[in-house]
Amino acid sequence: GNSVTQMEGPVTLSEEAFLTINCTYTATGYPSLFWYVQYPGEGLQLLLKATKADDKGSNKGFEATYRKETTSFHLEKGSVQVSDSAVYFCALSTNSGNTPLVFGKGTRLSVIA
Amino acid sequence: GAVVSQHPSWVICKSGTSVKIECRSLDFQATTMFWYRQFPKQSLMLMATSNEGSKATYEQGVEKDKFLINHASLTLSTLTVTSAHPEDSSFYICSARDLGVNTEAFFGQGTRLTVV
Repeated sequence: GNSVTQMEGPVTLSEEAFLTINCTYTATGYPSLFWYVQYPGEGLQLLLKATKADDKGSNKGFEATYRKETTSFHLEKGSVQVSDSAVYFCALSTNSGNTPLVFGKGTRLSVIA
Repeated sequence: GAVVSQHPSWVICKSGTSVKIECRSLDFQATTMFWYRQFPKQSLMLMATSNEGSKATYEQGVEKDKFLINHASLTLSTLTVTSAHPEDSSFYICSARDLGVNTEAFFGQGTRLTVV
């Protein structure tokens, strides 16, 4: 079946440090891949997405590249800020809108000043 | 992007009472909505898939008589926690996807339920 594996947290970084959160997937067919962010006490917000191999999703300084050969979609940011502290979820979809996305377990990021 | 509105954002209720949580898609029609539960510092747990005009599909281990789901229109799904107990206290989140293949999911703001 389809699954997403992302690195265990929590991750603690100093402000302006480089961030990488690893995400790998197993899927049948050709999935779309997503990163969602959840700030404390809120729902999830779409951060970025990629719908085919070699696509790069980017938003707010975050980037992730869809690597079919390594079945990966690692999230990166060159210089994190305190406001980036949140939980990050990697997810995939291989089907239409009547099926739920498949989520990883989430990675908690804390950025300290 | 599309908006999903969830209400209330927080609620406190007494043990034994029922609580209704609403989830609305504001600018698209959602034939399917999803309900999740999230424990502190944990991932999302899919509870059920809500289908407009038909019965919800519950995940294994979720009590359908305790968590009643109604999806009466293309823009509204409700989750009712019946005879709530303290162990039902949690963060509940709804989600919907627009029609089409491989489209992203949009999430409500979540509801913090505390049963006292």
